[in-house]
Amino acid sequence: LAKTTQPISMDSYEGQEVNITCSHNNIATNDYITWYQQFPSQGPRFIIQGYKTKVTNEVASLFIPADRKSSTLSLPRVSLSDTAVYYCLVGRRRSNFGNEKLTFGTGTRLTIIP
Amino acid sequence: DGGITQSPKYLFRKEGQNVTLSCEQNLNHDAMYWYRQDPGQGLRLIYYSQIVNDFQKGDIAEGYSVSREKKESFPLTVTSAQKNPTAFYLCASTSAPGQGTNTGELFFGEGSRLTVL
Repeated sequence: LAKTTQPISMDSYEGQEVNITCSHNNIATNDYITWYQQFPSQGPRFIIQGYKTKVTNEVASLFIPADRKSSTLSLPRVSLSDTAVYYCLVGRRRSNFGNEKLTFGTGTRLTIIP
Repeated sequence: DGGITQSPKYLFRKEGQNVTLSCEQNLNHDAMYWYRQDPGQGLRLIYYSQIVNDFQKGDIAEGYSVSREKKESFPLTVTSAQKNPTAFYLCASTSAPGQGTNTGELFFGEGSRLTVL
């Protein structure tokens, strides 16, 4: 199972774009990259998922280089409500065959400064 | 509304007692997971189950037990053998490929906070 490495913490000012990078050197061919956001005393919630190149949705973009050994979550024009912990998770989309052990890393604690 | 329900939200336990945390989902998901989170730390996997009547140990299964007798339920028992059980416990579920707009994303409950007195 691919292990992930992220910066422990980051600070940013309101209105700026924030990029959080996750390293996953041992990613397997069938692995997808998924990012989650967690607020204090709540369960994480899905932000975005990708396999390669670039994925964009209404809240974020995900950039994945050709070698797929890292990925970057990009949050445009952050606000105070984006203060949270962000987790990068690497794993197969669940299959009907075999078990999928989904393991989170330590995450990145993002603090938005007014 | 569909979702995952964890109960109780807060639980206090005396040392030496077993406690059971409930996790129920009405999302028709096959796979369910239990995670533990300590203050300022990430999520650590305790147990997971891909199908009824089957479950696997995660990274920190010692001192915990689970059952999966029904698809919608995955209770976690914190036994007296767990040396430091005070933590925030999260239950999650996910669907199999082909179900809706499935990305394999995990859906989490609101968590149960266990404190040992």
